[in-house]
Amino acid sequence: DTAVSQTPKYLVTQMGNDKSIKCEQNLGHDTMYWYKQDSKKFLKIMFSYNNKELIINETVPNRFSPKSPDKAHLNLHINSLELGDSAVYFCASSQGQGVVNEQFFGPGTRLTVL
Amino acid sequence: SQQGEEDPQALSIQEGENATMNCSYKTSINNLQWYRQNSGRGLVHLILIRSNEREKHSGRLRVTLDTSKKSSSLLITASRAADTASYFCATDSRGAQKLVFGQGTRLTINP
Repeated sequence: DTAVSQTPKYLVTQMGNDKSIKCEQNLGHDTMYWYKQDSKKFLKIMFSYNNKELIINETVPNRFSPKSPDKAHLNLHINSLELGDSAVYFCASSQGQGVVNEQFFGPGTRLTVL
Repeated sequence: SQQGEEDPQALSIQEGENATMNCSYKTSINNLQWYRQNSGRGLVHLILIRSNEREKHSGRLRVTLDTSKKSSSLLITASRAADTASYFCATDSRGAQKLVFGQGTRLTINP
């Protein structure tokens, strides 16, 4: 009964490849997010979706394409991976829109680009 | 740009002592939240304080908010080894519809 789950937990790949990370939440929340945490632990929002609609796109390169097939799922596809994409990617969810309430985070996906 | 900044960046104390972490931010907020991140894990929500609140408690945690100084503090009393983690403040700026995180305070509790 994990609240927010992500797969895979680890992803090691070569530069130039395309990869996807999947996220699912079973909390019934309306809003889901993708964050990137760099090697210095700085956590930055990338995207947010509310009821499958894109709300925030934080000047992320268009190699990153989120997709929300329904409000319980938010996937992240990355094309043409670069060394600088190496980081830990977190999915999160929260209830409501407008004011940001408590967010529930997934365990993270550690992406290493070689 | 980064909204919240935590101070100190790292803190090491003995078990049983109190730990205080500070957070400063730049713009008007709806609320301020504190999260904990254990090594290799996701963030866990600790406490949310709204802009019209000044103090909030949850177990051994006490959070204060001073909107005139744009600052908040997190106090952990009677620290335990299990409190060893990174602690982040995050602000929900008015109209932004997102949380902006500080760089975190790495707290180490020595047995």
